Amino acid sequence: GAVVSQHPSWVICKSGTSVKIECRSLDFQATTMFWYRQFPKQSLMLMATSNEGSKATYEQGVEKDKFLINHASLTLSTLTVTSAHPEDSSFYICSARDLGTPIYNEQFFGPGTRLTVL
Amino acid sequence: GQNIDQPTEMTATEGAIVQINCTYQTSGFNGLFWYQQHAGEAPTFLSYNVLDGLEEKGRFSSFLSRSKGYSYLLLKELQMKDSASYLCAVRLYQTGANNLFFGTGTRLTVIP
Repeated sequence: GAVVSQHPSWVICKSGTSVKIECRSLDFQATTMFWYRQFPKQSLMLMATSNEGSKATYEQGVEKDKFLINHASLTLSTLTVTSAHPEDSSFYICSARDLGTPIYNEQFFGPGTRLTVL
Repeated sequence: GQNIDQPTEMTATEGAIVQINCTYQTSGFNGLFWYQQHAGEAPTFLSYNVLDGLEEKGRFSSFLSRSKGYSYLLLKELQMKDSASYLCAVRLYQTGANNLFFGTGTRLTVIP
C-alpha cells in the first residue's frame, strides 16, 4: 500500500514555543490530507482536512490560529502547533488519500508524532 | 453531531473467536472502515463495508447493516499479536470531501 511518513516521530518542547510536524506521501500524490489528534486511551479525533493549494477546513472546536496547516504540494502537509501548552500534548497523526486506490478512497496513515509540552 | 459507539474493552482467549460491535448515528453515510492500532502506532486498515452484508478477509470479517446503523468485526483463531485497539470509522460525505469519523475504539486483550 501507499506510504505516509511523519517527522518528527516525537518532540518535547517548552510551553509557549511552536512546533512544526510534517506529513509526506512518499509514493503517491495526495490532494487531500487529514490531521488527527489522539489522547491516551482515546480514539482519533479529526482536527482538519487539508487540501493542496487551498485553506484547510477545521472541525468544530479546533482553533485555526493555534493549529496552522499548510498543504503546499501534493506530497507535503505541515501542522504547526503555535504557542504550545501542556494541554496540547498528544499523539498527532496525519493521513493522506490516494485517489489511485481501487474502488474506495482509502486513507493511509502516517506513523504519528508524539508531542510533549513541558 | 456524529455518534459512533464501541465497547471500551474486551478480553478473549487465544484461538477463540471474538466479535467487536460498532453502532453509529451519522448523516451522509458513505462507508464504514475497521482499523487496528497498536499502542503508539498509526492505525492500519483491516476492512471496508459500504453495502449490507459480510466481507471476509482471512481471519477477519466485517459485517454491515445500514438500516440498523450497525457493524461488527469478527476475529477468528485469535493470536496474541491481535491484542490491540480496534477502531470503527464511518466515512461521511461532506462538502465534497469524504471524511472519516472514528468511534471510541475497543481495546482487545488476548490471553493465553
